[in-house]
Amino acid sequence: GENVEQHPSTLSVQEGDSAVIKCTYSDSASNYFPWYKQELGKRPQLIIDIRSNVGEKKDQRIAVTLNKTAKHFSLHITETQPEDSAVYFCAASMIAAGNKLTFGGGTRVLVKP
Amino acid sequence: EAGVTQSPTHLIKTRGQQATLRCSPISGHTSVYWYQQALGLGLQFLLWYDEGEERNRGNFPPRFSGRQFPNYSSELNVNALELEDSALYLCASSLDRANQPQHFGDGTRLSIL
Repeated sequence: GENVEQHPSTLSVQEGDSAVIKCTYSDSASNYFPWYKQELGKRPQLIIDIRSNVGEKKDQRIAVTLNKTAKHFSLHITETQPEDSAVYFCAASMIAAGNKLTFGGGTRVLVKP
Repeated sequence: EAGVTQSPTHLIKTRGQQATLRCSPISGHTSVYWYQQALGLGLQFLLWYDEGEERNRGNFPPRFSGRQFPNYSSELNVNALELEDSALYLCASSLDRANQPQHFGDGTRLSIL
């Protein structure tokens, strides 16, 4: 089955700097890649997603890039703010697996004021 | 628009008992997913229901089961509870087309004593 690895597991950045989280997936049939943000005690919140027919997608300070050849995708957060502090999860799914999301292990991001 | 709602918020059980968790999807969503988020283990896919049918199942024993009702709400049942079943159980919903964004509820925290 699909396997998703996420790095780093923790990331500490200074407010205003950029943060980058990288995920690799194992199954080349995966074609949908969402990112979720989970604040302490709250639900995972979908922040951005990308499909395999697109190489990059941006939404304000957040962007995701996808390299299908290398089977990895990354989340980029620019001009980080303290409210960006949370755990971020990447995920992958493919139609053949029936919409099942396979998640990475998560990255705890701490933005220091 | 109301989001995904789950009940109860917390559930305390003892080993060997049975637990029932409930989920109401976003209006218009027909697919419901269940995930387990155990401490330190990320999110693991449990079950996917669509149009009242179980469409996919994760690597969990048969004592994890569920159903989806005609109004698209869903129940997750866990029989013969074990200590390692202690976790946050998250429900998500989406439109029924392939690889649609999944939106999560706040979860039910199940504690096994």
